[in-house]
Amino acid sequence: DTEVTQTPKHLVMGMTNKKSLKCEQHMGHRAMYWYKQKAKKPPELMFVYSYEKLSINESVPSRFSPECPNSSLLNLHLHALQPEDSALYLCASSHLQGARGYTFGSGTRLTVV
Amino acid sequence: DQQVKQNSPSLSVQEGRISILNCDYTNSMFDYFLWYKKYPAEGPTFLISISSIKDKNEDGRFTVFLNKSAKHLSLHIVPSQPGDSAVYFCAARGAGGTSYGKLTFGQGTILTVHP
Repeated sequence: DTEVTQTPKHLVMGMTNKKSLKCEQHMGHRAMYWYKQKAKKPPELMFVYSYEKLSINESVPSRFSPECPNSSLLNLHLHALQPEDSALYLCASSHLQGARGYTFGSGTRLTVV
Repeated sequence: DQQVKQNSPSLSVQEGRISILNCDYTNSMFDYFLWYKKYPAEGPTFLISISSIKDKNEDGRFTVFLNKSAKHLSLHIVPSQPGDSAVYFCAARGAGGTSYGKLTFGQGTILTVHP
C-alpha cells in the first residue's frame, strides 16, 4: 500500500458547523502533515506530526484542530470556519529520513458557505 | 519572505523537445530539493529529488541539476510528452532545527506540452 487516503473528497460546510477531515496511510511513515492549498498557490504547511506528537504548528488559527490517534491516522477537526478557509486540504506522510519527501493524498476540497 | 521561487508561471513546449523548469532558493539550510507534479483535483506527486551535496540526479526522462553557488536548480524533461502537462512545484526540505523535514514549495510552473 503506497497511498495516502483522504476522506471526504469534497465537503461543503456552514460557518457554524463542526466537521472533520480524515487521512490514513499504511506505509509505516512516522511523520504526517496537513497542508492547505488555495487556487494558483503552492501548498502551505499547517501542522506536522512526528511519532504521533505535534511537532510544528505554523500559527494556524484554533478553529483548525489536528489530531493523530495513531501512527496511521491523522484528523483535522474544523469548527466555526470562515469563507476564506475554503481551499484544498492536503494530507501527506513521509519517513523522517530519506530523499523521497512526502507522499500526498488527493486532498479534500473544502467550501465554507 | 519566499525562500523558494519559481519565476516562470508557465512554460509551453512542443512534444519531443526539452522542457526546462527553473527554481531559485535563498536559504542554505536545506538538505534535499524535490520536484513534484500536480494535476488538477489531485495531490502533488513526487517526481525526483537531489541531495544538497550532489549536482545532478537522473531518473529516466527527468534530470535535476543543482548549482549551489547560484542557489539554483532546474528540472529537465527529455523528450517532453503531452502527458507531462501539469503544474510542477519545486520544494526544499529543511535540514535542521524547527524546520527539520519541513517542505517549502515554490509557486509552481504550469507546463503545457503540445502534440
